[in-house]
Amino acid sequence: DTAVSQTPKYLVTQMGNDKSIKCEQNLGHDTMYWYKQDSKKFLKIMFSYNNKELIINETVPNRFSPKSPDKAHLNLHINSLELGDSAVYFCASSQRYTGELFFGEGSRLTVL
Amino acid sequence: AQRVTQPEKLLSVFKGAPVELKCNYSYSGSPELFWYVQYSRQRLQLLLRHISRESIKGFTADLNKGETSFHLKKPFAQEEDSAMYYCALSGGSNYKLTFGKGTLLTVNP
Repeated sequence: DTAVSQTPKYLVTQMGNDKSIKCEQNLGHDTMYWYKQDSKKFLKIMFSYNNKELIINETVPNRFSPKSPDKAHLNLHINSLELGDSAVYFCASSQRYTGELFFGEGSRLTVL
Repeated sequence: AQRVTQPEKLLSVFKGAPVELKCNYSYSGSPELFWYVQYSRQRLQLLLRHISRESIKGFTADLNKGETSFHLKKPFAQEEDSAMYYCALSGGSNYKLTFGKGTLLTVNP
């Protein structure tokens, strides 16, 4: 059983398009995250939700909009994709107040 | 603000040699420090955390508050240790986990 799963794993699209990445966790955690890993492998937090409530929102362009329909799901929608959005996006979950994150396999987004 | 610095982007050692991956942090409060590892084609996973003070896969890390460091050490590196290692710090009211830029460790035969 996959603990944190993301779909799709690979996404290739044109500049200007809108795309979504979905994430689901079956660990019963109450906190979920989106991290971006750039071409230099630098991991940077984008968003964090706790029980469907946004608790961390880093300086991310407002073209990025997270949505948490319930505490087991955290989706990421990106509008008007730009070349610089090309990266691997990781979803993760944890129990709040711990730093032990469980990561998904990542979704590699390529914007042409 | 919380910051994690891993000064070495790449580290290459031979099998059986000791290895130390450096991590320094900046945080005004009392931090929690972690090491995460990403093996090739695998997901990022927790390796160890400072509060558990345990050895995982032969790796240890000691939190040195005076030097604000949390270096990862292993006395005898193995080829299967080759991976990307991230030091991370959790702090603040929202327990945000901030990662360093990572060190790619290569253990040569």
